[in-house]
Parts: sequence; structure tokens; C-alpha cells
Amino acid sequence: GQNIDQPTEMTATEGAIVQINCTYQTSGFNGLFWYQQHAGEAPTFLSYNVLDGLEEKGRFSSFLSRSKGYSYLLLKELQMKDSASYLCAVRGGGNKLTFGTGTQLKVEL
Amino acid sequence: GAVVSQHPSWVICKSGTSVKIECRSLDFQATTMFWYRQFPKQSLMLMATSNEGSKATYEQGVEKDKFLINHASLTLSTLTVTSAHPEDSSFYICSARGGGLGDTEAFFGQGTRLTVV
Repeated sequence: GQNIDQPTEMTATEGAIVQINCTYQTSGFNGLFWYQQHAGEAPTFLSYNVLDGLEEKGRFSSFLSRSKGYSYLLLKELQMKDSASYLCAVRGGGNKLTFGTGTQLKVEL
Repeated sequence: GAVVSQHPSWVICKSGTSVKIECRSLDFQATTMFWYRQFPKQSLMLMATSNEGSKATYEQGVEKDKFLINHASLTLSTLTVTSAHPEDSSFYICSARGGGLGDTEAFFGQGTRLTVV
């Protein structure tokens, strides 16, 4: 089975850096994804990791350690528009994506 | 990235009626499409996986006779909620993935907000 854990809520200040952690236990691993989802909208793709290490894309970076079953999403220079839910998802066998419950990030002034 | 169009974006229907939701890949051939359901403040739950030209594979606990999925072409999949009840009210989202070796990402449609009254 699949088990993905991430914090339910986080609060951070505009301009700061925030790290959202995700731990997983899955049968089969074919990559880990991070998505951003605003309320009432579909998720939008942020990052994909399949090998260990850090992937950087502008203000967003994602890290993966397969041996530890651990990933994090790092958001720099936070903006108010970054307030959203951030979903960690693992692709297992059969190309199926299993999503975590999401972390609701609130960015404050 | 590729574009997946989902229609309608919202629908209100009476209890007992059926509702069809369409998911189209506009600029690529989607060999696999996924249907998810999301209740308020919860994450996406996979309902079923469909491959073009074959029967959908449903997740445990999802009634295949209630949620009919058709994936007749490489650009279109439909989800029909039959005999809808208020507890079926939810946000339904499709995602589509191509069949190429470089196709690591699945692209999401805009979602459909279903309200059954």
C-alpha cells in the first residue's frame, strides 16, 4: 500500500523561506511530484524528482532521498499568492499517483 | 505544458439523475487517463485508471456501475455519475498522461464541481 505524510498546515511570512516535508512508504517508486492547488481549482505541477538530490526551479526547489522515503519542497522569497495547498504525490506501480493530504500554507504580511 | 480540458467546470443536478463529465487532451495523445475525487479540505483520491480502448481499472471501494468511465479515443475520456445522490457531491478531476518515454508528468484538467440536490 501507499502511505504519504505531510503537515496539515503551515504559516510563514512574506519574503521568508518555508520548507514543506513529505515522508512516504510505498510499494514501488517511480518518482515523486509536488503540486500546488488553490481552493476550488485543479492542482498545478511544481516539480518532479526520481533520483536523489535537489531540483531547483526558480523560487521553488524540491529534494528527494529515496533511502529515507523523504522529500521536501522549499519555497523562497514567499509571496502572498503562494498561499495554497501543496500536495506531495508518489508514482507507484501502474503509473498511479497517490497523493498526500496536502499542506495548507498561509503566507502573512 | 500540455493542456487538458475538462467540461463542465460545475454542474448542479437532481438526485437520481446522471451526469457526464468530459476530459480532453488538446495537444497530445493521452494513452492513460486518471479520474480523481476530492472532498472539501481533503486530498485527491484516485477513483479509476483508464487506458484507451480498454476497460477502466477501479480503485477499491469505487463502484464501477455507478461511475462509468469510457476512454474511446486517445484524446477523450468521460466519467458518468449514474443515479447521483447528494453524497456524490464533490470535486472531480481528471488527469491525462501520454505514452512516450519522456512522459513523466500527468496533466490535470480544471476540475468539475458536482452538486447533487
